Amino acid sequence: EIVMTQSPATLSVSPGERATLSCRASQSVSSNLAWYQQKPGQAPRLLIYGASTRATGIPARFSGSGSGTEFTLTISSLQSEDFAVYYCQQYNNWPLFGQGTKLEIK
Amino acid sequence: QVQLQQSGPGLVKPSQTLSLTCAISGDSVSSNSAAWNWIRQSPSRGLEWLGRTYYRSKWYNDYAVSVKSRITINPDTSKNQFSLQLNSVTPEDTAVYYCAREGPGYCSGGSCYQWVDYWGQGTLVTVSS
Repeated sequence: EIVMTQSPATLSVSPGERATLSCRASQSVSSNLAWYQQKPGQAPRLLIYGASTRATGIPARFSGSGSGTEFTLTISSLQSEDFAVYYCQQYNNWPLFGQGTKLEIK
Repeated sequence: QVQLQQSGPGLVKPSQTLSLTCAISGDSVSSNSAAWNWIRQSPSRGLEWLGRTYYRSKWYNDYAVSVKSRITINPDTSKNQFSLQLNSVTPEDTAVYYCAREGPGYCSGGSCYQWVDYWGQGTLVTVSS
């Protein structure tokens, strides 16, 4: 079974700076990788699918890259509303999520 | 715009059955390109996919191995909704439960790949006597 591993578990970044979040799959998932943002008390929100395609309405400061087993979500200039938990998810067969990265204000 | 509205009790006794419903607007449970999922979230298990139902000329279900012996997901075409039943619950089943749609995605090499694009609002279900 595929295992999705995200790093780091917590990332502290100042507003206006760049944040880089990583996701690794234990075996290749091609580009079948999505990223979600979750704020307290809310459902996850789709940010990226196909490893690098922004979902409708997602700001351009969010970008995704990678294929195979290594993936990255980059937020180019952090806004206050971006501090949240981020999950990667592979969809090669059924939805399988990473354990999340908490992005907190430094 | 697809919207998913969940309903069901927030408290279930151990050994009983957890039942939730997800009403769909803006799409059809009988869609030939979407799939309708239940996903739960707890501090111990994180986001855990439970199963899905979908229509491709006939109805199909996929279930996670971890709950396969206890779970049923059913579509209700008359009400455009789908439901979750999880039997013989224990306190370990305490979680926030979400319904979610996998959108049309794409097909390649005989396989189709769909990502979760819409979520319900979530229902905290506590298993306790």
